[in-house]
Amino acid sequence: AQSVTQLGSHVSVSEGALVLLRCNYSSSVPPYLFWYVQYPNQGLQLLLKYTTGATLVKGINGFEAEFKKSETSFHLTKPSAHMSDAAEYFCAAFLQGNKLVFGAGTILRVKS
Amino acid sequence: DAGVTQSPTHLIKTRGQHVTLRCSPISGHKSVSWYQQVLGQGPQFIFQYYEKEERGRGNFPDRFSARQFPNYSSELNVNALLLGDSALYLCASSKSPTLSYNEQFFGPGTRLTVL
Repeated sequence: AQSVTQLGSHVSVSEGALVLLRCNYSSSVPPYLFWYVQYPNQGLQLLLKYTTGATLVKGINGFEAEFKKSETSFHLTKPSAHMSDAAEYFCAAFLQGNKLVFGAGTILRVKS
Repeated sequence: DAGVTQSPTHLIKTRGQHVTLRCSPISGHKSVSWYQQVLGQGPQFIFQYYEKEERGRGNFPDRFSARQFPNYSSELNVNALLLGDSALYLCASSKSPTLSYNEQFFGPGTRLTVL
């Protein structure tokens, strides 16, 4: 079945360290891919998206993600974590027609 | 400009009751989608409406229904509530009916608790 998998429900990094949140999709056709962030008691905010073209996508707040077709991955990175990055992150993909399918989410904790 | 607004913010119901959740899209957006986010999981697509017509439906029972009004606001109705319906219900709006590459803007959600 087509799906989105986020490896690691919780990730903890120190302030200033590299952030790496993993996302893999299951589809025979490369889908459009998205990363959203959700702060407590708030809705989802789009960080970045991949549709076509350049496989390295830059988003807001210093985040970027690289689409790798051979690995069916779309991992999210940020070179230096900030305390304000602590939130839940969701990878999503258009896999089944006009429907956005989300992963289960990864909670990012940033230690001072 | 105001973002997507949802009401109420929180709601507590008992099993078997009915609930109506409301959403107002961003001005100029004609597409509204509904998602259910159960605690610890990612959002799951329920419905999409564009210009009052249903354009997509997720794998939810017939107890779930929705509609869109001429001003593009939308209601999500859930009948015969079950404990498992407890979740955060998110509304998202978009300019276009084609959601694959058009950004969806999410509201803050309605937290529904079923006792």
